Amino acid sequence: KQEVTQIPAALSVPEGENLVLNCSFTDSAIYNLQWFRQDPGKGLTSLLLIQSSQREQTSGRLNASLDKSSGRSTLYIAASQPGDSATYLCAVEDGYGQNFVFGPGTRLSVLP
Amino acid sequence: DGGITQSPKYLFRKEGQNVTLSCEQNLNHDAMYWYRQDPGQGLRLIYYSQIVNDFQKGDIAEGYSVSREKKESFPLTVTSAQKNPTAFYLCASSISAGELFFGEGSRLTVL
Repeated sequence: KQEVTQIPAALSVPEGENLVLNCSFTDSAIYNLQWFRQDPGKGLTSLLLIQSSQREQTSGRLNASLDKSSGRSTLYIAASQPGDSATYLCAVEDGYGQNFVFGPGTRLSVLP
Repeated sequence: DGGITQSPKYLFRKEGQNVTLSCEQNLNHDAMYWYRQDPGQGLRLIYYSQIVNDFQKGDIAEGYSVSREKKESFPLTVTSAQKNPTAFYLCASSISAGELFFGEGSRLTVL
């Protein structure tokens, strides 16, 4: 059964720092990997989708990479801002393209 | 605007009552999902549907029921058999093997 973990569970950084969030999964037979942002009491907002044939995706200050063979993905946030404070979740879509398995999330605080 | 609408945003249930959470999407997505989120835990899949009139149990389906009579709608009923229903419920949709999109969620509290 696919399991997804995220490290660290929480992170606090000063504004302007570059940071990396980690996501690991146990079964490399995945379709897609997706990174989300969740603000308190809200739904999830999609940040980046990496399809199984891709190795990375970029959107603005965000860059996500995928290494299926090692079961890892990283989300790189450049020049962090207080507005980036949220919980970041990764999810992998199983090899049958029918189900997404989520990690527990990393709670990020960017201090002004 | 295209998107996923969940209602109500907040819902209170008494012991022994069934309640239904609404989820409507106008993205023309085939697949729809219901997840449950508890504090400090990741999202857990309750039910999903890949096509109209068909749905599959997820990891925690006991005490829940769904229907998929229309492509746009995937309501979730929390039955009295669900012993610990207080949680944040999230509906999502996607095209097959594509990006997952979420609604704003419904918070259910048992009184």
